[in-house]
Parts: sequence; structure tokens; C-alpha cells
Amino acid sequence: AQKITQTQPGMFVQEKEAVTLDCTYDTSDPSYGLFWYKQPSSGEMIFLIYQGSYDQQNATEGRYSLNFQKARKSANLVISASQLGDSAMYFCAMREGQGDYKLSFGAGTTVTVRA
Amino acid sequence: DAGVTQSPTHLIKTRGQHVTLRCSPISGHKSVSWYQQVLGQGPQFIFQYYEKEERGRGNFPDRFSARQFPNYSSELNVNALLLGDSALYLCASSLPERNYGYTFGSGTRLTVV
Repeated sequence: AQKITQTQPGMFVQEKEAVTLDCTYDTSDPSYGLFWYKQPSSGEMIFLIYQGSYDQQNATEGRYSLNFQKARKSANLVISASQLGDSAMYFCAMREGQGDYKLSFGAGTTVTVRA
Repeated sequence: DAGVTQSPTHLIKTRGQHVTLRCSPISGHKSVSWYQQVLGQGPQFIFQYYEKEERGRGNFPDRFSARQFPNYSSELNVNALLLGDSALYLCASSLPERNYGYTFGSGTRLTVV
């Protein structure tokens, strides 16, 4: 079974608007971490935001926020005030257990920001 | 501080050949992980090494092997290359005591012809 599901292959957003990228996950481990990464055409995976399973509040990092709904097993990324430089592939990933174990990635969502 | 560095950035190999990819972690990071990213898909976990010991292995054939050196750098080796091995190979380094300290390199883009 897929551990991470991203159902939006591609999205278009107007500059300065907000966009929400969907991510659902599947795990039976009570301890896990959820990540969002940005991958521009250069290939590097750039860390955006992290949410731990025991965190009480939704994570925020600048223009990025994570809408964590534990009961629904969803961890959607919200990018506010989109910029042209936000055009990239976005991946949701999960680490099960504590420590720095392997990440399971979704298939990704391509975001294109229009001027 | 330098980030995670990978070499080479690109290479082209012929089916049946062998390839070695290299990764230098961030200074102080003792754990290195390797991922394969086929075009249009998310990265898939191949190996994780910590203190020169293999900590985890993904669902990859024995043609794939890796090792970690005393300076924590790492090599990924792939034997008997297949066309399907064409992918971006990403290396990530991390600190075990941190839950989210993964830093990725820019990857090595391997093309098998």
C-alpha cells in the first residue's frame, strides 16, 4: 500500500495567491514525521517544513504552513503569496518511528506560478 | 559550511557496465542515505549508512551496494547496469539525534544507454 498519496499531478496558481497541495499518509506507527520538499528543475530536494505526529500545533515556516489533520491522516501544504520562484515539484514525505530513518515519498505535485 | 556534495553531476553509461557514485555529507553528519528518483516519480529509498554500518536497505536488487568511509563520505555502486537504472540518484545526510535534519545533495543524473 502507498504510504504517501499526492493526488494532484499538477497545479496552476496566480502570482500572489495562495495554493494548497494535498497529501494523505498511511501508517500504524504512533510516532512519525511528515515533511514537504521542493524540487526545482536543478534536482536538489529543498526542505520546506516538518510536522511531528505529537506536535499540537500546525507547523509554519515563513510563507509555508502545514495543515495537519491527524484523524484524517492528511498533511496539506499551504503556500501563501505565491511567487514565480515557487514554480517547482513539491513532494510530501514521511518518516516512521523516531530518529533519522528512511523517508517514504509521494509522487509529487508540479506547481506552476503564473504572472 | 558546504552542503551535501555529490559527484559526478551527470554521467552516461552503457548497459552491463558498472558505476560508482560519490557523496560527501555535511560536516558533522554521520548518517548518509541514498535515494533513486526515476523521471516523473518520487524518490525511492535505497540505503542508509550510519557509522559505516548499513542501517537500512530498500527494495533494490543485489546489483546495488554501498559503503561508508571513516570520514562519513559514501559510495553507491551499481553493477550490470540496466536501462531502468537511468535516474537521478540523491544522497542525503543527517544527524541521528535530530528527527528532521535531512539535507539532500543536488544528485547525480545517470543515463544508461
